[in-house]
Amino acid sequence: GESVGLHLPTLSVQEGDNSIINCAYSNSASDYFIWYKQESGKGPQFIIDIRSNMDKRQGQRVTVLLNKTVKHLSLQIAATQPGDSAVYFCAETYGGSQGNLIFGKGTKLSVKP
Amino acid sequence: GAVVSQHPSWVICKSGTSVKIECRSLDFQATTMFWYRQFPKQSLMLMATSNEGSKATYEQGVEKDKFLINHASLTLSTLTVTSAHPEDSSFYICSARAGDYGYTFGSGTRLTVV
Repeated sequence: GESVGLHLPTLSVQEGDNSIINCAYSNSASDYFIWYKQESGKGPQFIIDIRSNMDKRQGQRVTVLLNKTVKHLSLQIAATQPGDSAVYFCAETYGGSQGNLIFGKGTKLSVKP
Repeated sequence: GAVVSQHPSWVICKSGTSVKIECRSLDFQATTMFWYRQFPKQSLMLMATSNEGSKATYEQGVEKDKFLINHASLTLSTLTVTSAHPEDSSFYICSARAGDYGYTFGSGTRLTVV
């Protein structure tokens, strides 16, 4: 289930299940969105991106959905593995990939073996 | 792929001293560098944006005289935390942007001020 911790919401899933991480973005003018994975003590790692002219994009085991009407972004991870345990951030920018990248609050994903 | 090297990975300094953090783009020219700060269990907060050869643009609430940013070349940007205090202890992360490479992040620097 999903719960709100001190600062980061946490999502706990069983290994092999699918995970859905949600993000509400703030700027209706944003036109480029990126999902990042951050492991403890490391910098963010690019997972997948999507431009505002699309509503869905798929990668390897990951899918990003964009709903511009309600300014909502989601990341779906199929067959979640222990190595997927990390904090996931959505980030938004405008001007394509030329603007400042602003990060959302983040969700901690915990995968139980 | 594009790689950004950030050093040091961690540093401990005494209150009142200054600390310099370096970010280098290894295989591309970074026209723009971003500096972020991240407190425990929180998101990355943009501190400033710098373009090569220009003065940095600081976000609201970030003291430009305290956090000195230099982007003198297309492959190197530095952040100097001057007169550091314990409340400056944080995880500092740089990001570089260059054309089609999008945004590439450094590995971060853990600063502890004692």
